[in-house]
Amino acid sequence: QKEVEQDPGPLSVPEGAIVSLNCTYSNSAFQYFMWYRQYSRKGPELLMYTYSSGNKEDGRFTAQVDKSSKYISLFIRDSQPSDSATYLCAMSAGTGNQFYFGTGTSLTVIP
Amino acid sequence: DADVTQTPRNRITKTGKRIMLECSQTKGHDRMYWYRQDPGLGLRLIYYSFDVKDINKGEISDGYSVSRQAQAKFSLSLESAIPNQTALYFCATSALGTSGTRSTDTQYFGPGTRLTVL
Repeated sequence: QKEVEQDPGPLSVPEGAIVSLNCTYSNSAFQYFMWYRQYSRKGPELLMYTYSSGNKEDGRFTAQVDKSSKYISLFIRDSQPSDSATYLCAMSAGTGNQFYFGTGTSLTVIP
Repeated sequence: DADVTQTPRNRITKTGKRIMLECSQTKGHDRMYWYRQDPGLGLRLIYYSFDVKDINKGEISDGYSVSRQAQAKFSLSLESAIPNQTALYFCATSALGTSGTRSTDTQYFGPGTRLTVL
């Protein structure tokens, strides 16, 4: 079983839709949860960072962590064509520990 | 200027050739990483280094070696390239930081090197 599971999509939505991206994990030691956005032919860039359980909001983006279910989500409100990218979840158990990445979900927002 | 740079950005080589990929960073971070990215497999860790004297194997280190020449430089070598090493290679850096009373360890990626081994 992989440490982190992520549906690869592809996901295609109309502009303005709410997008929900999800990852599940198996290691209960994970404490730090991140979402990266990767545009085509570019390196991943950090989008959201969350420690432990709870919600974090940044503009149109909301990250949720449910440690009891080992499930994390990224919500994008009022999606824009510029949000079209691959979104990777990542997590680690803490300082000095290895990062584990999901395989990424490809999102296309259609104008 | 980019905080994490990688050279070359694209490379086509033949089986058996020695290849070196280079990474430099101006972020002042101690920790550096090499990943490869393959469709359907995501990012996989090859090697990582927490400081100049520290080198650690990652998930898929076979066939690769690294050199940490300075805090800001971390090179990845393929001693004898093979076709299944065709992939997108990323360098990343991180620094121990704090958020309130908790430590953080987020990673920052370079633009990647697309390597093709024929």
